Amino acid sequence: KNEVEQSPQNLTAQEGEFITINCSYSVGISALHWLQQHPGGGIVSLFMLSSGKKKHGRLIATINIQEKHSSLHITASHPRDSAVYICAGHMEYGNKLVFGAGTILRVKS
Amino acid sequence: NAGVMQNPRHLVRRRGQEARLRCSPVKGHSHVYWYRQLPEEGLKFMVYLQKENIIDESGMPKERFSAEFPKEGPSILRIQQVVRGDSAAYFCASSPETFLWEKLFFGSGTQLSVL
Repeated sequence: KNEVEQSPQNLTAQEGEFITINCSYSVGISALHWLQQHPGGGIVSLFMLSSGKKKHGRLIATINIQEKHSSLHITASHPRDSAVYICAGHMEYGNKLVFGAGTILRVKS
Repeated sequence: NAGVMQNPRHLVRRRGQEARLRCSPVKGHSHVYWYRQLPEEGLKFMVYLQKENIIDESGMPKERFSAEFPKEGPSILRIQQVVRGDSAAYFCASSPETFLWEKLFFGSGTQLSVL
């Protein structure tokens, strides 16, 4: 069983829609990263969460420690948001990340 | 994402050749991580290095792969006698200190193609 599970695998939205991507993780993970990977491969770190909620522009990330669940929300989605969104868990012991399989988001205009 | 430089961006090798991938971390960052993304698969941890030390290489294949982060110069991921299965995108990331994970920056990756 993967330590980080993401859903959905693929997501198509219309411009302007509210988008949610979910991530569940296992015991042993102390913090969560949300990453964005555009076609062409570059990876950007969007958020790191160990508790609560963070917001940056139209992006909001939340984490529930008890339920071991995190969500990434995109408000007023735009075609430029089209990318792969990856949830990554920071292992409590050892300084490494374990990655979800990614969510391929396509926002149509 | 500024500052982590990986080169080359694309690397083509024939089976049996050596591949050397370079990663220059953000200035002042002393921790470097290498990850591999196989076609149609997610990212996987390979190795974690501090200056002149390998801290965790649990994700590295046992043979043909090695990594270093010398006192001066970039981190190098070296793959000897490449095989087609080594074709993947290799990403490097850096951070200034352990546990300051807010400040994790990724490079643009090296796409390795083995013919």
